[in-house]
Amino acid sequence: GQSLEQPSEVTAVEGAIVQMNCTYQTSGFYGLSWYQQHDGGAPTFLSYNALDGLEETGRFSSFLSRSDSYGYLLLQELQMKDSASYFCAVNTGGFKTIFGAGTRLFVKA
Amino acid sequence: NAGVTQTPKFQVLKTRQSMTLQCAQDMNHNSMYWYRQDPGMGLRLIYYSASEGTTDKGEVPNGYNVSRLNKREFSLRLESAAPSQTSVYFCASSVPQGAVEKLFFGSGTQLSVL
Repeated sequence: GQSLEQPSEVTAVEGAIVQMNCTYQTSGFYGLSWYQQHDGGAPTFLSYNALDGLEETGRFSSFLSRSDSYGYLLLQELQMKDSASYFCAVNTGGFKTIFGAGTRLFVKA
Repeated sequence: NAGVTQTPKFQVLKTRQSMTLQCAQDMNHNSMYWYRQDPGMGLRLIYYSASEGTTDKGEVPNGYNVSRLNKREFSLRLESAAPSQTSVYFCASSVPQGAVEKLFFGSGTQLSVL
């Protein structure tokens, strides 16, 4: 079967850095994406990696290691508004994107 | 731009009732999707439509049908609702972003089947 594993929740302090991990086992792999979802809201696209390495977009960075089937999302200078759920997603081919169960991030003052 | 619009936002059904969830996008995207989201399980793909005139099954298609009415609209139908279909349903459209599809989601439909 296909699976994406994420820690269920993580807590961090405002201003700190937090890393959220994702390991995947899929029949195909074309890229790893990250989405943010606030409570009661819709998921929104944050970033993606198709090749190994680090991609940076402002306070957000995403990393991929295809040989380890592993990626992470790094959030710097945490703000209260970053409290949300974060989902990794794998494009397995064509138009199929499958999602992990998500990591709920709690940011404390 | 409204983006992706779903109706209704909330719906309560009785077991074996039928209903259609409507979705429309105004971004001129070719591809559209229906996902369901259950607590602790993330988003699961029900059906997708790569382009107007085509539809394909996703991970959990049983109990659902879809219609790609035109480029803008993609509907999801439950013919005989079951309590197991209680969920939040998201419609999405996408554009290519490198090797992946960048998904744009609607605000969701919370469906309860009693």
